[in-house]
Amino acid sequence: DAGVIQSPRHEVTEMGQEVTLRCKPISGHNSLFWYRQTMMRGLELLIYFNNNVPIDDSGMPEDRFSAKMPNASFSTLKIQPSEPRDSAVYFCASSLSGADTEAFFGQGTRLTVV
Amino acid sequence: GENVEQHPSTLSVQEGDSAVIKCTYSDSASNYFPWYKQELGKRPQLIIDIRSNVGEKKDQRIAVTLNKTAKHFSLHITETQPEDSAVYFCAASEGNTPLVFGKGTRLSVIA
Repeated sequence: DAGVIQSPRHEVTEMGQEVTLRCKPISGHNSLFWYRQTMMRGLELLIYFNNNVPIDDSGMPEDRFSAKMPNASFSTLKIQPSEPRDSAVYFCASSLSGADTEAFFGQGTRLTVV
Repeated sequence: GENVEQHPSTLSVQEGDSAVIKCTYSDSASNYFPWYKQELGKRPQLIIDIRSNVGEKKDQRIAVTLNKTAKHFSLHITETQPEDSAVYFCAASEGNTPLVFGKGTRLSVIA
């Protein structure tokens, strides 16, 4: 298996533009997480899906952020409109079953909003 | 919700010495405690984990201890090597909730 695949690896966009980040979890994993990493705040959970259903979205900063998981092999995180403070590395991770099994992280998407 | 505190934030050791990183958690229901290593520009990767039914676990030069009463757990790296230099994150989960991570410890192993 190729592991968790994220795209794009890097994204530079202008303030106000829509940004869509994509994630393909490991086949057979039923849990998917989106995390955001910054120097100041570390690794913050944004949203957690289990069997394609959002279970915990309490970490989503505001209405500008939305996430979907239309099927077991694909998830998106959308920011609309983007702001400079959204600049961070966004990681997608998947695990075999729930939050108490190993989470495998993707390579991350480095987002820069100018 | 769960809160995980990690210290120190930075740690420098001489090659061959031991390194210890400590974490505390707030939710007594937490039962899964993994440690992740993140090299510069790379993704976090699991290096060891422990569940609440054991007090210690070892894997070669790495060990983790857990004190449920005090709600703290620690990572011990012995005989450190330059390739151990990275940021280490502790995390906690009670199973139904996602991992909550500590802020990380930047370990530098000086040759």
